[in-house]
Amino acid sequence: DVKVTQSSRYLVKRTGEKVFLECVQDMDHENMFWYRQDPGLGLRLIYFSYDVKMKEKGDIPEGYSVSREKKERFSLILESASTNQTSMYLCASSSDSYEQYFGPGTRLTVT
Amino acid sequence: GQNIDQPTEMTATEGAIVQINCTYQTSGFNGLFWYQQHAGEAPTFLSYNVLDGLEEKGRFSSFLSRSKGYSYLLLKELQMKDSASYLCAVPVPSNTGKLIFGQGTTLQVKP
Repeated sequence: DVKVTQSSRYLVKRTGEKVFLECVQDMDHENMFWYRQDPGLGLRLIYFSYDVKMKEKGDIPEGYSVSREKKERFSLILESASTNQTSMYLCASSSDSYEQYFGPGTRLTVT
Repeated sequence: GQNIDQPTEMTATEGAIVQINCTYQTSGFNGLFWYQQHAGEAPTFLSYNVLDGLEEKGRFSSFLSRSKGYSYLLLKELQMKDSASYLCAVPVPSNTGKLIFGQGTTLQVKP
């Protein structure tokens, strides 16, 4: 079974803090993705990576950065957290079949 | 460009049949996915259609018409646990594995 894990299910941070969200997959997938999901807005792609050290901006990259130093790990970084980044963050991975496998999500609250 | 349209909400009765529609526009077609997402959880894969016609998988079936840019998910013998959001998604024509997701249809099953 493909497994995608995320470092935290729930996280509370203060405005201005630097936040790291970690995602690890165990299926040797080339592609990894970070989404945020908000009520009424659906899944929105923040960043994705199709190879180690390769990254591309998605639809809403502002305020975020990513790191992919190893194939199995894709990190999302909030350089200076703001209240409008309170959201559910979902990581996903895929191979060349397009089917994406999702992690359990991290519900981040920024106060 | 890519665009996906699906109804925002639907309500159905336990034991009944419900059809969730999805229309899409894409510059190149590489199949269509349906995902199920329960509240507070990650999306999970339901089906993938790449050829026209109906594919049945237990109580769930998915239909595709490429010429019409149209798909539907058919849920039979509805159960309370089918209350969830159903997401339609199509691949972006590229080798990055990106998917474009619809906003999701929230299905409420009532007794």
